[in-house]
Amino acid sequence: ETGVTQSPTHLIKTRGQQVTLRCSSQSGHNTVSWYQQALGQGPQFIFQYYREEENGRGNFPPRFSGLQFPNYSSELNVNALELDDSALYLCASSLLQGNGYTFGSGTRLTVV
Amino acid sequence: DAKTTQPPSMDCAEGRAANLPCNHSTISGNEYVYWYRQIHSQGPQYIIHGLKNNETNEMASLIITEDRKSSTLILPHATLRDTAVYYCIVRGFTNFGNEKLTFGTGTRLTIIP
Repeated sequence: ETGVTQSPTHLIKTRGQQVTLRCSSQSGHNTVSWYQQALGQGPQFIFQYYREEENGRGNFPPRFSGLQFPNYSSELNVNALELDDSALYLCASSLLQGNGYTFGSGTRLTVV
Repeated sequence: DAKTTQPPSMDCAEGRAANLPCNHSTISGNEYVYWYRQIHSQGPQYIIHGLKNNETNEMASLIITEDRKSSTLILPHATLRDTAVYYCIVRGFTNFGNEKLTFGTGTRLTIIP
């Protein structure tokens, strides 16, 4: 089975720009969750998608948005980038009520 | 979400058992305890999970106290490749009632040669 793949691996953006990060789920998984991990911190839950709809959200502003596609892959979009958005963004796939999340290796976003 | 408390760092000699403690005193009766680890700049890796009973798999053992307010992850024969940040997580729920993981800051485990 294939794992979770994320692209790109690294990205540098300028404050105020917009960014799109991509995630391919593990085969057989129907739910995708996105996490933000600042340096030295644990991952923080952004939101979760199931059946192409947002299925739960953490404490993140609306400029963080997402999409899930029929093949269960997903995108994370961040508008109006701020310096504090610099972080490792992790995607995790799972079954909706399943045990165990498979994480990708993340996208390292730097906002300058 | 139930909170977890872990020591920020621990050392363990190579070949010895590494015992990582976690307190989760506000855990609810139907909430699972999960352990993940994260090797530098990689995504978290699933280790083990449990509800009430002790669990063992090829990577580790999980010991949960009878009152479920704390647990211990045991790596029986630590190797240098076990150096990582270990997260103890009580699986919570989204505002839609679906499951999500809430990470704390974890324990940085260093295996000493």
